[in-house]
Amino acid sequence: QVQLQESGPGLVKSSETLSLTCTVSGYSISSGYYWGWIRQPPGKGLEWIGRIYHSGSTFYNPSLKSRVTISLDTSKNQFSLRLTSVTAADTAVYYCARAGSSTSSPPDYWGQGTLVTVSS
Amino acid sequence: QSALTQPPSASGSPGQSVTISCTGTSSDVGVYNYVSWYQQHPGKAPKLMIYEVSKRPSGVPDRFSGSKSGNTASLTVSGLQAEDEADYYCSSYAGNNNYVFGTGTKVTVL
Repeated sequence: QVQLQESGPGLVKSSETLSLTCTVSGYSISSGYYWGWIRQPPGKGLEWIGRIYHSGSTFYNPSLKSRVTISLDTSKNQFSLRLTSVTAADTAVYYCARAGSSTSSPPDYWGQGTLVTVSS
Repeated sequence: QSALTQPPSASGSPGQSVTISCTGTSSDVGVYNYVSWYQQHPGKAPKLMIYEVSKRPSGVPDRFSGSKSGNTASLTVSGLQAEDEADYYCSSYAGNNNYVFGTGTKVTVL
């Protein structure tokens, strides 16, 4: 059974960089699939952030592309999210997910999510 | 890419059916048969209920069904049960390795 777990600071100061890590168990991320990040502001809907293929190719939401980096650490079976120059609008629950076996496949396994609050 | 449009709420009595719409554009829902639906209970992660418009992952009851016509996809929950009360989100592949989600619908079992 594939399991994902997000980790990282729950509080980030405005203008700084948000960094989260997703640890995957039950599947080797270097074997295949896309691995991605989705966020959900409190009381609001889901927003696609981006994903990385097991080969290392990255694909980002155009609205966030200038501030987002997703990377893999296959030695630790982890992938990470960096979001720079954060503002209060970036306050959200951040989910990591196994984001599909092909270009058009949707995320199937999700982590439990972690709340990140941006403070001024 | 703009969010797909869903009604804010829907409701039905136990045993009845409820249908949720998801309206996109000719750049996402209208051109790709890659619409998915997620169920989200309060404080929980979304759960994949439907993919590729009408396919169900293993373990999802056949009370859940999906369809699409033009730029609008739909999720129907038949034989409503108390446990079906949740938020539901549609999602569509939008090209260039990107996805777009719907605005979400809160389903209430009366």
